[in-house]
Amino acid sequence: AQTVTQSQPEMSVQEAETVTLSCTYDTSESDYYLFWYKQPPSRQMILVIRQEAYKQQNATENRFSVNFQKAAKSFSLKISDSQLGDAAMYFCAYKVQGAQKLVFGQGTRLTINP
Amino acid sequence: NAGVTQTPKFRILKIGQSMTLQCAQDMNHNYMYWYRQDPGMGLKLIYYSVGAGITDKGEVPNGYNVSRSTTEDFPLRLELAAPSQTSVYFCASSPDRTKNIQYFGAGTRLSVL
Repeated sequence: AQTVTQSQPEMSVQEAETVTLSCTYDTSESDYYLFWYKQPPSRQMILVIRQEAYKQQNATENRFSVNFQKAAKSFSLKISDSQLGDAAMYFCAYKVQGAQKLVFGQGTRLTINP
Repeated sequence: NAGVTQTPKFRILKIGQSMTLQCAQDMNHNYMYWYRQDPGMGLKLIYYSVGAGITDKGEVPNGYNVSRSTTEDFPLRLELAAPSQTSVYFCASSPDRTKNIQYFGAGTRLSVL
């Protein structure tokens, strides 16, 4: 079964510091995609970053970057220079190429302390 | 810049009532999805559609029905609402399978009492 596990229900970080959110997944597939979505209090699910499993290079989007370890099935999100607007639930998600379903983890609630 | 629009934002239903959650997208995406998010959990796929006239079940389809008569609209129907259907419902769309990116609406919070 394909599962996504986020082992940190809650995290907090001081404004301007760096925080890393963990995600592991279980799959027997070789062609898949990994995502981090942000869900602020408005409930809107916003795509933060996307990684193709066939790419060795870690994806980056401005202050957001991932550490993708394919053999370990690990996909952590690093947020640099944390800002108050980064406070949200963060969901790690997985999708097999060609499949329809996004498989989500349970989420990590990130708090930014001013 | 509308993207994926869901209505209503909130709704309270009594047990046994029926309702339709509306979802519309203006991006001409072929793929559309319905998810539910239970408290403290990630999203689970209810139904999806790969184009007008084509729908299929996801992980948790029981108690729901969908239709897709146009590319833009993908309504979700709840028949005989039950307390177990209390959840937040998200609609999403995707341009095609190759990009693998799904764009989400703002959700509908539904309570069944």
